[in-house]
Amino acid sequence: QKEVEQNSGPLSVPEGAIASLNCTYSDRGSQSFFWYRQYSGKSPELIMSIYSNGDKEDGRFTAQLNKASQYVSLLIRDSQPSDSATYLCAVKGSGFNKFYFGSGTKLNVKP
Amino acid sequence: GAVVSQHPSWVICKSGTSVKIECRSLDFQATTMFWYRQFPKQSLMLMATSNEGSKATYEQGVEKDKFLINHASLTLSTLTVTSAHPEDSSFYICSARVGGRRTDTQYFGPGTRLTVL
Repeated sequence: QKEVEQNSGPLSVPEGAIASLNCTYSDRGSQSFFWYRQYSGKSPELIMSIYSNGDKEDGRFTAQLNKASQYVSLLIRDSQPSDSATYLCAVKGSGFNKFYFGSGTKLNVKP
Repeated sequence: GAVVSQHPSWVICKSGTSVKIECRSLDFQATTMFWYRQFPKQSLMLMATSNEGSKATYEQGVEKDKFLINHASLTLSTLTVTSAHPEDSSFYICSARVGGRRTDTQYFGPGTRLTVL
């Protein structure tokens, strides 16, 4: 079992719709959770971090964390074509210096 | 957010030569940096964890004598690909760890694209 699981996609949504990206993790002791965006040929860029159960909003992005279900999600409201990228879920595991990355979900936002 | 730089952004070299890639944290000190490799259309692969003042910790399957890592200061880690071969051609990305135990985060550099002829 992988430490972090994501649907590889591609997830296609029309412009202006809500994109919902999901991620599950296996280490129950994890305390820190992240979403990165990676455009083709570029390095990952941090867009959200979340440390407590519930929702965290930043502009059009909302991260949701449910530690009991070991589930993290990212909602992108009013999706734009510029949001088309691969989204990586990352989890800071309970071990020292252990960060785990999912394989990423490719999002396509169609004009 | 914290800024991490990498140099060079791309490099082309002949088979058998060595290539050094620098990773710098520009506006913060990083006791821990990470080195990743990414092949086209594949996910990030952690190669090693670099700790300032101590030896790097390599992931299983990564040859430490081929990928030399030196974290000489709190703002600089280097990766040297020794005797590079075409199969080493890849996108190499470093990241730096920032924050406390419960809020630490990784910020990535822009990456270095290595092509070995």
